[in-house]
Amino acid sequence: DTGVSQNPRHKITKRGQNVTFRCDPISEHNRLYWYRQTLGQGPEFLTYFQNEAQLEKSRLLSDRFSAERPKGSFSTLEIQRTEQGDSAMYLCASSSRSLGYTFGSGTRLTVV
Amino acid sequence: KNEVEQSPQNLTAQEGEFITINCSYSVGISALHWLQQHPGGGIVSLFMLSSGKKKHGRLIATINIQEKHSSLHITASHPRDSAVYICALIQGAQKLVFGQGTRLTINP
Repeated sequence: DTGVSQNPRHKITKRGQNVTFRCDPISEHNRLYWYRQTLGQGPEFLTYFQNEAQLEKSRLLSDRFSAERPKGSFSTLEIQRTEQGDSAMYLCASSSRSLGYTFGSGTRLTVV
Repeated sequence: KNEVEQSPQNLTAQEGEFITINCSYSVGISALHWLQQHPGGGIVSLFMLSSGKKKHGRLIATINIQEKHSSLHITASHPRDSAVYICALIQGAQKLVFGQGTRLTINP
């Protein structure tokens, strides 16, 4: 297992376009989290899954954002009609009670 | 008021100095993480602790649950320790609440 993998590492998109990010967690981890980090700030919680169930969503996750984790494996985060304010680092992490917490390297989104 | 406050926000020191970064929080937690983030974004978990003290190499983390305070210490600091150090609280279903981070720069 190579840890938590996120793709793409960087994404530049025009305002109004849709983007989708993928996260492949550690296979033994049943929990998967998405966080967003803007420049100079600590990460902020967006949503989390336990297996395939999305159990919590932050108020930060507007209607333009949707996350899925089909079959409890990889997860996708889609942003529709991107806005410049969506520019940030999107971090994925996975965890299990016994195996701890592991972060991916993040996807840096720039909306121009 | 933020649930978790770190100090200092920025810290510059000379190689070899003893470094202390503090984290105070105002909510109940099950545990606390200290994380390291290098330029480029990758986050590495240094410690997860719920009581007492943990040591790994030149890094030491302590937590006082009663006082709602944790510290991260770096002994014999080195330029490669330069990074952002983030304190993160674990609440509920292991969701993390992050501090703003402390930007550490170690000069040779």
